[in-house]
Amino acid sequence: AQKITQTQPGMFVQEKEAVTLDCTYDTSDQSYGLFWYKQPSSGEMIFLIYQGSYDEQNATEGRYSLNFQKARKSANLVISASQLGDSAMYFCAMRGPHPNTPLVFGKGTRLSVIA
Amino acid sequence: KAGVTQTPRYLIKTRGQQVTLSCSPISGHRSVSWYQQTPGQGLQFLFEYFSETQRNKGNFPGRFSGRQFSNSRSEMNVSTLELGDSALYLCASSSGQGGTDTQYFGPGTRLTVL
Repeated sequence: AQKITQTQPGMFVQEKEAVTLDCTYDTSDQSYGLFWYKQPSSGEMIFLIYQGSYDEQNATEGRYSLNFQKARKSANLVISASQLGDSAMYFCAMRGPHPNTPLVFGKGTRLSVIA
Repeated sequence: KAGVTQTPRYLIKTRGQQVTLSCSPISGHRSVSWYQQTPGQGLQFLFEYFSETQRNKGNFPGRFSGRQFSNSRSEMNVSTLELGDSALYLCASSSGQGGTDTQYFGPGTRLTVL
């Protein structure tokens, strides 16, 4: 069974600073995808970034980058130059390898950006 | 391209009633998945539909059911509502072709059971 662990229930970061949100995962599958989603207080789950298990390069999307360490089974999200609008819940998730496998989510990290 | 839409956004029901939630996926997406989010249990998978067929189901009682139409729109139904069904219900769409393709979520339906 797949499992995601996020050990930081809440974090604070100063505006314009970088922050790393931790995520470790467990799976016996060789092919899988790792995802990060942002959930503001409105409730919508916003896709941020994806990393495939066979991707050799770390994924980047604008201010978001994923620090993928396969041997350690970790997929940390790095947000550079934090903005006030980054305050939200952040969920790490994984799925695969079959088309019908659902997303398995961690418990999330609440990020608060301070001016 | 329009995103995933869900209706209604908010619902208030009483115990014993039933409710139907609707989800319209991104154009071209054939897979729709439903998730329940509660403060206590977090995000839990309900079921997934692909080309009008349920392809996977989570560990929920039979009161929770769903269907998908030929235009890929999906509905989920909860019968005999219980207080514990109060939650944010999220649907997500994807191409459904691969096990690692990205699921894109709608804004959710917030259900309150009194």
